[in-house]
Amino acid sequence: GAGVSQTPSNKVTEKGKYVELRCDPISGHTALYWYRQSLGQGPEFLIYFQGTGAADDSGLPNDRFFAVRPEGSVSTLKIQRTERGDSAMYLCASSPTSVPDTQYFGPGTRLTVL
Amino acid sequence: AQSVTQLGSHVSVSEGALVLLRCNYSSSVPPYLFWYVQYPNQGLQLLLKYTTGATLVKGINGFEAEFKKSETSFHLTKPSAHMSDAAEYFCAVNSNTGNQFYFGTGTSLTVIP
Repeated sequence: GAGVSQTPSNKVTEKGKYVELRCDPISGHTALYWYRQSLGQGPEFLIYFQGTGAADDSGLPNDRFFAVRPEGSVSTLKIQRTERGDSAMYLCASSPTSVPDTQYFGPGTRLTVL
Repeated sequence: AQSVTQLGSHVSVSEGALVLLRCNYSSSVPPYLFWYVQYPNQGLQLLLKYTTGATLVKGINGFEAEFKKSETSFHLTKPSAHMSDAAEYFCAVNSNTGNQFYFGTGTSLTVIP
């Protein structure tokens, strides 16, 4: 079956611009996670959805970052007033249950802020 | 609080040699432990996981890991390295009550022919 997909695969933007990154989880998966992975680092937790609600957004670095999942499937990570330090790989993962023992990762979106 | 330390950001082994990638964790609750592999331009793929039960866990591609509570370790091993094992490997920790996965900084494995 289809895995987690993320679009776009690459996004180049200018400092100060607004960007949206999309994640399509595996069909039927209730849990969805966003991570940020900087070069040479492991993934860093940003936010976790269970269904439509953000169950844990403690990893969002500041109020420029926001994520939604209005219908409990597709999720969008939104970054306002982008900064060069936001450049990273943004990963999405989904899980079939609320028990955090299995995540399926998408290929990621490479964001470059010039 | 939970965290993961991966000793050795780069490991090189000869083809056919033993692979040993180290992971130590810190957790105030019983941990769930994971190893993921990341190939270039691909997403993370689960190699194996420990949640409860048997402490020696077998995963895909011939990898295995042993949960040692006394050493707070979850080292990844493979008896004989293959060229296709060259990738980035990440150890991660969670718990049965947490939603956050904490990843290590990764170990890049190079396999020398």
